[in-house]
Amino acid sequence: KAGVTQTPRYLIKTRGQQVTLSCSPISGHRSVSWYQQTPGQGLQFLFEYFSETQRNKGNFPGRFSGRQFSNSRSEMNVSTLELGDSALYLCASSLWTGPLRPSGSPLHFGNGTRLTVT
Amino acid sequence: DQQVKQNSPSLSVQEGRISILNCDYTNSMFDYFLWYKKYPAEGPTFLISISSIKDKNEDGRFTVFLNKSAKHLSLHIVPSQPGDSAVYFCAASGNQFYFGTGTSLTVIP
Repeated sequence: KAGVTQTPRYLIKTRGQQVTLSCSPISGHRSVSWYQQTPGQGLQFLFEYFSETQRNKGNFPGRFSGRQFSNSRSEMNVSTLELGDSALYLCASSLWTGPLRPSGSPLHFGNGTRLTVT
Repeated sequence: DQQVKQNSPSLSVQEGRISILNCDYTNSMFDYFLWYKKYPAEGPTFLISISSIKDKNEDGRFTVFLNKSAKHLSLHIVPSQPGDSAVYFCAASGNQFYFGTGTSLTVIP
């Protein structure tokens, strides 16, 4: 079974530009969530999607947005990039087949997209 | 507002000895706890989990202990191996997953 696939692996962008990151979940997983990892900050939750609907959103500015398609693939967009947006962006999928997250449903992560803003 | 905390940024252990990684949380409503292992340039890999109705879960060399009254979680690795050297994240599940800031484990051969 293929794992979570994130593209691209590396990106270099200039301040003020926008960027789109892509994530393909494990087959059969309907929930996709996004995290930002920076040194010393751990994994900061961005948002979670299930069945094309955003279920939860973290404490990030509106420049960060996402969407999920009918095949569960997800994209994340960051507009007007700032230097502080440089980070590893991780996508994770899980089995979440109902309105409540079942216990025993861990997140499975992709290898991330390393974004560098100059 | 860090709801899951790992207060030790790093830990060094001799090969063959026990590694104990600790994690504290603040929300008593969390019902599911997990540990992830992360190597550089890779995404976190799920290691082991525990439901809030249990106080111990074991999987090979890895054991997770949950003390709900203290809101404390720990991961024991016995015996530690050099390949265990990685960053370990604990996480708790509520309406979303909350992650700690990670502990970098170094196992010295």
